[in-house]
Amino acid sequence: DIQLTQSPESLAVSLGERATIHCKSSLNLFHSSSNKNQLAWYQQKPGRRPRLIIYWASTRESGVPDRFSGSGSGTDFTLTITSLQPEDVAVYYCQQYYSPLTFGGGTRVEIK
Amino acid sequence: QVTLQESGPVHLKPTQTLTLTCTFSGFSLSTNGVRVSWTRQPPGKALEWLARLDWDGDQSYSTSLKTRLNISRGTSNNQVVLTMTDMDPVDTATYFCARTPPGDVGRLDYWGQGSLVTVS
Repeated sequence: DIQLTQSPESLAVSLGERATIHCKSSLNLFHSSSNKNQLAWYQQKPGRRPRLIIYWASTRESGVPDRFSGSGSGTDFTLTITSLQPEDVAVYYCQQYYSPLTFGGGTRVEIK
Repeated sequence: QVTLQESGPVHLKPTQTLTLTCTFSGFSLSTNGVRVSWTRQPPGKALEWLARLDWDGDQSYSTSLKTRLNISRGTSNNQVVLTMTDMDPVDTATYFCARTPPGDVGRLDYWGQGSLVTVS
């Protein structure tokens, strides 16, 4: 099975500052036939369902603010939130869908 | 618009079998490329993907749980059913169903609100 390791487990960032979350895969997630990385990011607020924010490693889901961006390829990926807002407090998960699906352990983002 | 709703028992005893139904609207599981997955989340813990049913009937399962899981179409065209046998207190979790849209193989763009199942 493909393992996803997220770091850090939690981070506290001041309002308006940058938050960076890492996700490392045990296997290359680049799918040559589609020419895309099979990785997504989700945001989950307390007591709520997960929300898709990034797919194909760097494509923002419709309606997601542009302060959220995804980058990386192969086995190393990053979710960046520029200018953290109060409503961004949540747990963030990466998910691979190369074979078949697994989630990372989550990163909790809080306000410093 | 796309919606999904989980339904099933709130409480089970150890060794019983869990049967959950995902009832959806706004899309068809007969559409080429559409898939429906089940994911669970124990209280305070991370998401864990369980199983997926594809538009063509193909099924995929979590390696660690596949001997206990079965995913299938429900009695209605807009339902997907998950069964999990031999339930244990460690299976206490919120169970979510979610859709993968056509054109992709695994991103989950719409989720149900979740169904909390307690085993004790």
